[in-house]
Amino acid sequence: DVKVTQSSRYLVKRTGEKVFLECVQDMDHENMFWYRQDPGLGLRLIYFSYDVKMKEKGDIPEGYSVSREKKERFSLILESASTNQTSMYLCASSLLAYGYTFGSGTRLTVV
Amino acid sequence: KQEVTQIPAALSVPEGENLVLNCSFTDSAIYNLQWFRQDPGKGLTSLLLIQSSQREQTSGRLNASLDKSSGRSTLYIAASQPGDSATYLCAGCYNQGGKLIFGQGTELSVKP
Repeated sequence: DVKVTQSSRYLVKRTGEKVFLECVQDMDHENMFWYRQDPGLGLRLIYFSYDVKMKEKGDIPEGYSVSREKKERFSLILESASTNQTSMYLCASSLLAYGYTFGSGTRLTVV
Repeated sequence: KQEVTQIPAALSVPEGENLVLNCSFTDSAIYNLQWFRQDPGKGLTSLLLIQSSQREQTSGRLNASLDKSSGRSTLYIAASQPGDSATYLCAGCYNQGGKLIFGQGTELSVKP
């Protein structure tokens, strides 16, 4: 089975900090995605990547950036964390017709 | 605009009941549709994936159908159990490896 691993389950950061959320998949998936999930708003796409060093903005990219230096790793960066970025962050990878696999999520609290 | 809708938002049933969760999508040019389960505070677990050329998929007590012409998918759960209590999300994909468009989910509670 494909495994998508998010490095932290829970994180608490201070306002203004630069925050890195890491995601690693253990199959040769081309596509990787970062979503955030908030009550009442559902899952919203932040950024995605179809290949190494490629990135595309999703629906809510403001305040975020991403890095994909290796195929298996896709990092989400909060340039200057703010309280409205407190959320559940979900990473996923996909391989064409075989659907998506999600990680277990990172619950980020910005204080 | 491509949208996915799930009704109802919440459902409570007694243990042992068969139930159907509904998902509708506005654009019938769907590439595939995937059903997920999410337990509180956890990530999403894939349940079933239906390609646009397929009508249904089955896994154990779960059966998912896809009707592109009517823009609908259903997830059928047979003989429900308390362990089935979770939020169920459907998501449509409109191109190979493209982004998923999620419904808001149905929160299922199965009472013992």
